[in-house]
Amino acid sequence: DAKTTQPNSMESNEEEPVHLPCNHSTISGTDYIHWYRQLPSQGPEYVIHGLTSNVNNRMASLAIAEDRKSSTLILHRATLRDAAVYYCIQSGTYKYIFGTGTRLKVLA
Amino acid sequence: KAGVTQTPRYLIKTRGQQVTLSCSPISGHRSVSWYQQTPGQGLQFLFEYFSETQRNKGNFPGRFSGRQFSNSRSEMNVSTLELGDSALYLCASSLGRSSGNTIYFGEGSWLTVV
Repeated sequence: DAKTTQPNSMESNEEEPVHLPCNHSTISGTDYIHWYRQLPSQGPEYVIHGLTSNVNNRMASLAIAEDRKSSTLILHRATLRDAAVYYCIQSGTYKYIFGTGTRLKVLA
Repeated sequence: KAGVTQTPRYLIKTRGQQVTLSCSPISGHRSVSWYQQTPGQGLQFLFEYFSETQRNKGNFPGRFSGRQFSNSRSEMNVSTLELGDSALYLCASSLGRSSGNTIYFGEGSWLTVV
């Protein structure tokens, strides 16, 4: 199964931008890249997704490499509420394969 | 509109018993998928249903089964429970027409096997 690789943890100061990287070197042409985040004792929450082009929404931006083998989730101004585990996922064939995710710590 | 609803939220079962978990998807969503989350294995895909048909399944033993009803509601069943089945079971729903459709998760059902 295709699996993404992410750093185990990252830290950021409050109000600063955060760039969360993800490698998905086995991605196929029809796989989307999705990002979710999970707070303790809650289900994962959708953040953003894309196929080839960079994407923006009210929560974040997603930058996808030209060869699609990597992507970066950008939180423009981290807040304490952004502290969570962030998962980068390749979706294909009607299933999501979650990696271990990146635990983001936001420092006040 | 209402999100994905899972019941029960918490339950405790004894080894050897069986358990049924229920999931009501977001209105209009026809795809329901199930995931198991444990500290050791992380989030693992169990199976996905669309219009009452299982379209994909993960690498779990046959003790884990599911079904989807005509109203898109879904249930999953685990028979002959083992201690290692203790986990958070998450259900997610989506429109299901393509792999690009966003999936939305419920709060999960916490299963403890003793």
